[in-house]
Amino acid sequence: DTAVSQTPKYLVTQMGNDKSIKCEQNLGHDTMYWYKQDSKKFLKIMFSYNNKELIINETVPNRFSPKSPDKAHLNLHINSLELGDSAVYFCASSQDLAGVRETQYFGPGTRLLVL
Amino acid sequence: AQTVTQSQPEMSVQEAETVTLSCTYDTSESNYYLFWYKQPPSRQMILVIRQEAYKQQNATENRFSVNFQKAAKSFSLKISDSQLGDTAMYFCAFMKPIMEYGNKLVFGAGTILRVKS
Repeated sequence: DTAVSQTPKYLVTQMGNDKSIKCEQNLGHDTMYWYKQDSKKFLKIMFSYNNKELIINETVPNRFSPKSPDKAHLNLHINSLELGDSAVYFCASSQDLAGVRETQYFGPGTRLLVL
Repeated sequence: AQTVTQSQPEMSVQEAETVTLSCTYDTSESNYYLFWYKQPPSRQMILVIRQEAYKQQNATENRFSVNFQKAAKSFSLKISDSQLGDTAMYFCAFMKPIMEYGNKLVFGAGTILRVKS
């Protein structure tokens, strides 16, 4: 059983297109995240959601719009894709926001390539 | 803002030997968490070990242990009896467990570890 899953695993698209990445967790966690890993492998938080509510938006362009239809899902929609959006995007989840059960579990990542 | 520094871009170790990966961080907080994550070529991010700052005892998980020096803001990872499957990129990460902070992990740049047979 996959704890945190993402679809698709690979995404190749043209500049200017709109695309979505889906994330689902079956751990019963309350908090979900999106991270971006750039070409130099540097990982940086993009968004944090708790109980479907946005907690932090780490200065991400508004072309990126996360949507959480329920606690188990956090999807990432990207408008007007740019070359610099090429990266690996990781979804993660944790039990809650502030407490002892804050260890984050990551999905397998989605490699996005914008041509 | 918190920063995490991993000063070793790459390291290698012979199978069955011990290796230590370094990590330092900068924070004015007293309550926080530190993590080591492993990213093998499969790209999956795997939790290796975690340490709560309020605990003086160093965390251990089988062959993995940490040397947590709070005053020095140092958090090194020791891998004993290295195995070929330990070959991966290792990331040190810091987290401040405050709701407004969103539980974000702040990562270091990573250290590539190669285990040689």
